[in-house]
Amino acid sequence: GDSVTQMEGPVTLSEEAFLTINCTYTATGYPSLFWYVQYPGEGLQLLLKATKADDKGSNKGFEATYRKETTSFHLEKGSVQVSDSAVYFCALSDHDYKLSFGAGTTVTVRA
Amino acid sequence: DTAVSQTPKYLVTQMGNDKSIKCEQNLGHDTMYWYKQDSKKFLKIMFSYNNKELIINETVPNRFSPKSPDKAHLNLHINSLELGDSAVYFCASSPRRTGTNYGYTFGSGTRLTVV
Repeated sequence: GDSVTQMEGPVTLSEEAFLTINCTYTATGYPSLFWYVQYPGEGLQLLLKATKADDKGSNKGFEATYRKETTSFHLEKGSVQVSDSAVYFCALSDHDYKLSFGAGTTVTVRA
Repeated sequence: DTAVSQTPKYLVTQMGNDKSIKCEQNLGHDTMYWYKQDSKKFLKIMFSYNNKELIINETVPNRFSPKSPDKAHLNLHINSLELGDSAVYFCASSPRRTGTNYGYTFGSGTRLTVV
């Protein structure tokens, strides 16, 4: 079945550091890929998405490119802020009714 | 105006009790979902409804029973609560059967603690 593997956390960074969270997927079809963010005590928010190979999703300084050849969708941000501290989830949808999530990566940014 | 709202936000109850969590969306979406997030933040789908019809039931114990009176509401009733049911439960919705290109809109979660 479909699955998502993302790098384990926690990840701790200093402000203005570069952030990368690796995400790879397994799917039988051609999935859409997503990154969600969960701030402390809140629900999940869609951060960005890509629906086909070579698409780049971007939002709030975050970027991820859909790489079919490596089945990856790594999340990057060039200069993180304290407010980026959150749990980040990679997810895929290859079925009409189900979004499958990775295990989540906790990111803490220190001033 | 909250897009996907869940009540209650917190629920503490004793083992063996029966409880319900309510979810409402005002986005006009056709499909609604329940997800369970465990203490390690892992998210797993429980149920999916499309226009009041059950689409996905992911091997959830029979003690969990979703009910969708209309496409804007999806409630979750849990019988005979167990310690292992303690988790955060998220409701979500998507605009059509194919949520593939749209992603989901999530509620803020209900933290259930069974003591």
